[in-house]
Amino acid sequence: EAGVAQSPRYKIIEKRQSVAFWCNPISGHATLYWYQQILGQGPKLLIQFQNNGVVDDSQLPKDRFSAERLKGVDSTLKIQPAKLEDSAVYLCASSAGGPQETQYFGPGTRLLVL
Amino acid sequence: GESVGLHLPTLSVQEGDNSIINCAYSNSASDYFIWYKQESGKGPQFIIDIRSNMDKRQGQRVTVLLNKTVKHLSLQIAATQPGDSAVYFCAENRPLNRDDKIIFGKGTRLHILP
Repeated sequence: EAGVAQSPRYKIIEKRQSVAFWCNPISGHATLYWYQQILGQGPKLLIQFQNNGVVDDSQLPKDRFSAERLKGVDSTLKIQPAKLEDSAVYLCASSAGGPQETQYFGPGTRLLVL
Repeated sequence: GESVGLHLPTLSVQEGDNSIINCAYSNSASDYFIWYKQESGKGPQFIIDIRSNMDKRQGQRVTVLLNKTVKHLSLQIAATQPGDSAVYFCAENRPLNRDDKIIFGKGTRLHILP
């Protein structure tokens, strides 16, 4: 079974630029999560989708971050404009059901904002 | 605020010994707990989980203990091997209105001594 795919793996941008990350979850998984992991910390949930609907986006900085999951499969996370404090690893995860089902994580996208 | 995780950044253990990684949580409503292993450059990987109606669960070489009285969770790894070197995160599921939310702790780095 293929795992969660993410691209790009690394991205370096200057502050105020825009960036987008892509995630392809495990086939058939209804729930998709985007996490932000700052160096030395645990992942922090940004947004959770159930199929193509948003379940929880309470920690998503909506003035600059946006995410969509069209057709309930792939998802993109965008930052516009980026700030220095956005430097982190952005992890995508998926699960068959809700959060009490095992979440499978992708390798993450490491973002450096200069 | 978020308060899962005991602040113990690094644990060094001799190869072959048992490792015990601890975690404290603050929300008595949390009903499900998970341990993840994260190797360098990779996303977190599920190790073992436990529901709040249990106090112990065993897997292959790993055991999770839950003490709800003092809101404490531990991960025991038997006969620690070099491949166990990683950062270990505990996570708790907090019921939130009609939905669940997974909160990660800060993590503990496990270092295996030869």
